[in-house]
Amino acid sequence: EAEVAQSPRYKITEKSQAVAFWCDPISGHATLYWYRQILGQGPELLVQFQDESVVDDSQLPKDRFSAERLKGVDSTLKIQPAELGDSAMYLCASSQQPQGARDEQFFGPGTRLTVL
Amino acid sequence: AQSVTQPDIHITVSEGASLELRCNYSYGATPYLFWYVQSPGQGLQLLLKYFSGDTLVQGIKGFEAEFKRSQSSFNLRKPSVHWSDAAEYFCAASSGGSYIPTFGRGTSLIVHP
Repeated sequence: EAEVAQSPRYKITEKSQAVAFWCDPISGHATLYWYRQILGQGPELLVQFQDESVVDDSQLPKDRFSAERLKGVDSTLKIQPAELGDSAMYLCASSQQPQGARDEQFFGPGTRLTVL
Repeated sequence: AQSVTQPDIHITVSEGASLELRCNYSYGATPYLFWYVQSPGQGLQLLLKYFSGDTLVQGIKGFEAEFKRSQSSFNLRKPSVHWSDAAEYFCAASSGGSYIPTFGRGTSLIVHP
């Protein structure tokens, strides 16, 4: 069964360091999402891609976060510099249909980030 | 502001007992509604969704949910819980033409043998 892959699964870093997370969506899925899930809360959307284009990054803290999906397939989310408050689970999801379609999102296992 | 509320942080049930997890939403119009499950160390899996039509929705793993417009609720139910159902459950809603859901904070289900 096709799955969304994420790596690393766990990352521990010190504040002010740079970190990067990778996501490989299900093959053929045009839309890719990055979510942040703080412990004890539900996921919150950070950025949405349609192919290689950013559709919505209104909740992405652009002073330190960046995301790219250069070839419209896999994606990287970067934080530089990391802050203590960035400790969270970072989830990637993909869906087959373009934005606006009522299509199911498939989630990866997430990357748990701890900033010391 | 649009929001999703899950009033119960933790729910404990005995294996074999029935289950109901509560979810209330605050939206101007009837949103699309979802329930997801997240097992430890795993991503979210969609259990069921409601867009329109029949207000009783059947999902995977024996779960169902009922949409009640008058109560702005979308509660999740299961008649007999299995130990493997222990997980975090998230209610979510979206509106308009967007599929981007707003999630509740989640309810942790603990199942006693």
